Amino acid sequence: KNQVEQSPQSLIILEGKNCTLQCNYTVSPFSNLRWYKQDTGRGPVSLTIMTFSENTKSNGRYTATLDADTKQSSLHITASQLSDSASYICVVSLQTGANNLFFGTGTRLTVIP
Amino acid sequence: DAGITQSPRHKVTETGTPVTLRCHQTENHRYMYWYRQDPGHGLRLIHYSYGVKDTDKGEVSDGYSVSRSKTEDFLLTLESATSSQTSVYFCAISEGGMAKNIQYFGAGTRLSVL
Repeated sequence: KNQVEQSPQSLIILEGKNCTLQCNYTVSPFSNLRWYKQDTGRGPVSLTIMTFSENTKSNGRYTATLDADTKQSSLHITASQLSDSASYICVVSLQTGANNLFFGTGTRLTVIP
Repeated sequence: DAGITQSPRHKVTETGTPVTLRCHQTENHRYMYWYRQDPGHGLRLIHYSYGVKDTDKGEVSDGYSVSRSKTEDFLLTLESATSSQTSVYFCAISEGGMAKNIQYFGAGTRLSVL
């Protein structure tokens, strides 16, 4: 069964600290993996997209890693800011099929001063 | 929100009434999607469109219909709303198919069915 699981469900960190969010998937055949940021009351916004051959991709203070062998990805946030408070959603794409995106339920990050 | 406008942003309706949600894009993207987002679930695809008058069902299409008469507009209709359709609905667009193309999301419509 194709699934995407994220951990932790929620996380609270102090402003300025780093954190890492995890995504494990069983989706196969794999095409790509995406991380989205969703602010409260808004739609998700793409942070990164990685294909099978990419191990790391950065977007400012956000760095995503992908291990396609173990089917794991992580999103590392450096020097967190209050504006990083949001839900972070991992999405995995199948190579084939019409409805081929699988969404995780997200990690809710709260950054406190 | 990437040139995507959803309307209304909030709606409260009663069980059994018809409801239509609208998604309007200014990006001229070929693909448009309707998702619902509920606590404890990832975003779930309701219907999508790959061109004018070309639509297909998603994972949770029962009780929903869609229409796309123009490239820029994608309508989602609940023919007879039920309480289980209380949710936040997101429209998304992409240049190409969802497998290889980033989706851009609207701000969402919060629907409450009483």
